[in-house]
Amino acid sequence: EDKVVQSPLSLVVHEGDTVTLNCSYEVTNFRSLLWYKQEKKAPTFLFMLTSSGIEKKSGRLSSILDKKELSSILNITATQTGDSAIYLCAPDTGRRALTFGSGTRLQVQP
Amino acid sequence: DGGITQSPKYLFRKEGQNVTLSCEQNLNHDAMYWYRQDPGQGLRLIYYSQIVNDFQKGDIAEGYSVSREKKESFPLTVTSAQKNPTAFYLCASSNRPSGNTGELFFGEGSRLTVL
Repeated sequence: EDKVVQSPLSLVVHEGDTVTLNCSYEVTNFRSLLWYKQEKKAPTFLFMLTSSGIEKKSGRLSSILDKKELSSILNITATQTGDSAIYLCAPDTGRRALTFGSGTRLQVQP
Repeated sequence: DGGITQSPKYLFRKEGQNVTLSCEQNLNHDAMYWYRQDPGQGLRLIYYSQIVNDFQKGDIAEGYSVSREKKESFPLTVTSAQKNPTAFYLCASSNRPSGNTGELFFGEGSRLTVL
């Protein structure tokens, strides 16, 4: 059975802080790992990671995969209130559908 | 614009009633999915379909049913057998590049409340 664990479950920071969100997985036939941001309704795609050690970056967000440790981190620098959301990760095994972690709820206070 | 449309956005149901949530996509994607989200939690897979006229149970299929008669449409019926149906329901699709699930494209969701 596929297992995905995200930590922390919840995080409250102040604007300008840097945060690191963690995602660890135990799956068979791993192919890639995806990160999503969910603000109110539909999750929106952030990153897809397939290779270890190669950082993907979009503005203040960046993510990296460690296949040896079966984990990924999502970094957000200089956080803003608009970063407040649930961040979800999901490994892709190609077998059926994405199995999501429970998410990290990030709250950025002014 | 291409995308996924879910309806209704909000739905109230009395206990014992079946309700059907609609999901339509015009992205020409082969695969479609239904997820359930409870407050403060991640997404749990209810059903998925990788091709027309075929669908598979996910992790929490009990009390739900689906059909996939057209590529564009994947309706979800929440039956009276579902003991705790109050939740946020998300429909998604993907084009399954190279046999992977790939990026999921989500609808705006349907919030079901049982009175």
